[in-house]
Formats: sequence, structure tokens, C-alpha cells
Amino acid sequence: DVKVTQSSRYLVKRTGEKVFLECVQDMDHENMFWYRQDPGLGLRLIYFSYDVKMKEKGDIPEGYSVSREKKERFSLILESASTNQTSMYLCASSLRQGAGETQYFGPGTRLLVL
Amino acid sequence: GQSLEQPSEVTAVEGAIVQINCTYQTSGFYGLSWYQQHDGGAPTFLSYNALDGLEETGRFSSFLSRSDSYGYLLLQELQMKDSASYFCAGAGGATNKLIFGTGTLLAVQP
Repeated sequence: DVKVTQSSRYLVKRTGEKVFLECVQDMDHENMFWYRQDPGLGLRLIYFSYDVKMKEKGDIPEGYSVSREKKERFSLILESASTNQTSMYLCASSLRQGAGETQYFGPGTRLLVL
Repeated sequence: GQSLEQPSEVTAVEGAIVQINCTYQTSGFYGLSWYQQHDGGAPTFLSYNALDGLEETGRFSSFLSRSDSYGYLLLQELQMKDSASYFCAGAGGATNKLIFGTGTLLAVQP
């Protein structure tokens, strides 16, 4: 079974702090994704990566950056956390891009920015 | 732009059949997937329609009509464990990114 793990289930940070969310997958998938999930808005794509050191902006990249130094690891960085970044953050991976490709999700990190 | 709309909530009783609709606006659309997410859990893949028509997987079926920009997920013989949020998702346009719908919360009552 594909396993996607995220570094924390719950995280509390203060406004202005730098926040790192880490995601690791064990299936040698090419593609990795970061989403945020908010009530009534579904899942919105922040960034994705289709290869090591490659990244592309999703629909809401402002205030975020990412890093993919190794194939199995994809990090989301909040350079200066703000209260409007309080959300559930979900990481996913897939073998390829496209609607037909199954995305495997991690358990999520619920981030609270005070 | 690209967007997928779903009803926010649906309620049904155990043993019944329920249909969750998904309408979308996008250009160059390639297909429609469905994901299930239990409260506090991770989304998990349910089905994918690459072509128009009905795909059946056990108690769940999914339908796509690209001419109508419309799809649905059909759940039969509802069980309490089917209570969850359901998301349609598609890839389309120049980037081929996966775009999720707004999600439907299904409540199955005894």
C-alpha cells in the first residue's frame, strides 16, 4: 500500500513564525502536491512538484513556498505565518498527473496560527 | 476559469440510493474522479470516468457526460459507514492539474 506521511497532525504557531510542513511518500511517485482544505471551499492546490527540484504554482501559492530536494519528500513552507493560513493542509502523491491518476493523501496537518 | 460545483449536503437513509451531482466549467476537460473523505481522515480515491457513460464499482457507480459538463456519483444500498464527504475532481485546461469540487457531505441516517 502507498503510504504518505505528514510530519505533524496538529500544529500551533504564532503570527510571523516560519513554519515547515513535511510530507514523505514511500512509493517512488513522481508527483507530489500540497493542498489546503477549508469548509465550503473543498481542496485547493497550493503547489505541486513533478520531479526533484521542480515545482509549479497551484491556484493559491501566495504566502507559501515549497522544496523538493529528494523524490520522496516534499516540504511546504510558510515564510511568515498569518492567521488566514489557519487551515487543514493535505499532502498527496501520484505516479503521474491527470484526472485518472489516483492521488494518495496523507492524514493532514491542522495548523492554527495565533 | 475552472470550477466544479456540488451540493453542500445530502441526507439519506440506510439501504437507500443517493446521487451526488457535480457540474463543472472548464475547457479541455479530460475526465472526472471521485474521492471520499471521512471526518478527520484523508481523502481516498473512489472512481474515475475517462469516457462518457457509467462506471460501476460494487455499490458505487459514477457517470460522466462531457457534452453536459456533468457527472454524478451513485451510492446504492447505503450503509452508515458511507457517511462522509465526497469530492469530484477533474483535470483540464493547459496545466492538467487536478481540481477538486466543493465537496458534498453525505449523512446516512438509520
